[in-house]
Amino acid sequence: QKEVEQNSGPLSVPEGAIASLNCTYSDRGSQSFFWYRQYSGKSPELIMFIYSNGDKEDGRFTAQLNKASQYVSLLIRDSQPSDSATYLCAGFTGTASKLTFGTGTRLQVTL
Amino acid sequence: GAGVSQSPRYKVAKRGQDVALRCDPISGHVSLFWYQQALGQGPEFLTYFQNEAQLDKSGLPSDRFFAERPEGSVSTLKIQRTQQEDSAVYLCASRPTRTSGGKSSYEQYFGPGTRLTVT
Repeated sequence: QKEVEQNSGPLSVPEGAIASLNCTYSDRGSQSFFWYRQYSGKSPELIMFIYSNGDKEDGRFTAQLNKASQYVSLLIRDSQPSDSATYLCAGFTGTASKLTFGTGTRLQVTL
Repeated sequence: GAGVSQSPRYKVAKRGQDVALRCDPISGHVSLFWYQQALGQGPEFLTYFQNEAQLDKSGLPSDRFFAERPEGSVSTLKIQRTQQEDSAVYLCASRPTRTSGGKSSYEQYFGPGTRLTVT
């Protein structure tokens, strides 16, 4: 079992809809979680991070963390075709400084 | 300001050749990370530096992989006697040291990567 799990997709949503991307993790010591967007052939770009239970909003993006359920999600409101990319979830434990990534979920926003 | 830069962007090596990949982190970032990303996978951790000290090299897949950061700024990842399974994108990331409200930030910023193809 990978430490950070994501559905590889593709997740297809129509333009203007809400895209919901999910991630589960196995290490209860994980302190913080990061969402990166990666366009094909490009490097990961940080979108948001969250370290407290609950919701964190930034523009069209909302990250949600539930430590009891070991579950992280990213909601994208008013999805645009330019949001089509792979979204990577990463966990940070603090005892090791590295980020542990999931395999990513490919999002397709259709016109 | 300038982001993380990496060179070369693309490298083709014949099996058995040695390669050296360079990373120039964001100015002032003391922490530097190397990751390997295979096609269709998330980045996998290779090694971590704080200034010039290599604090974690647990992700290096074999003793053919070696990384250094002698002056605490630019880092080089060297792969000796390359094998086909080394073909991947090698990503470098740097991290600021920021504290806000007693909490430190641990976000990492990635460079464009070096795509290594071993033939």
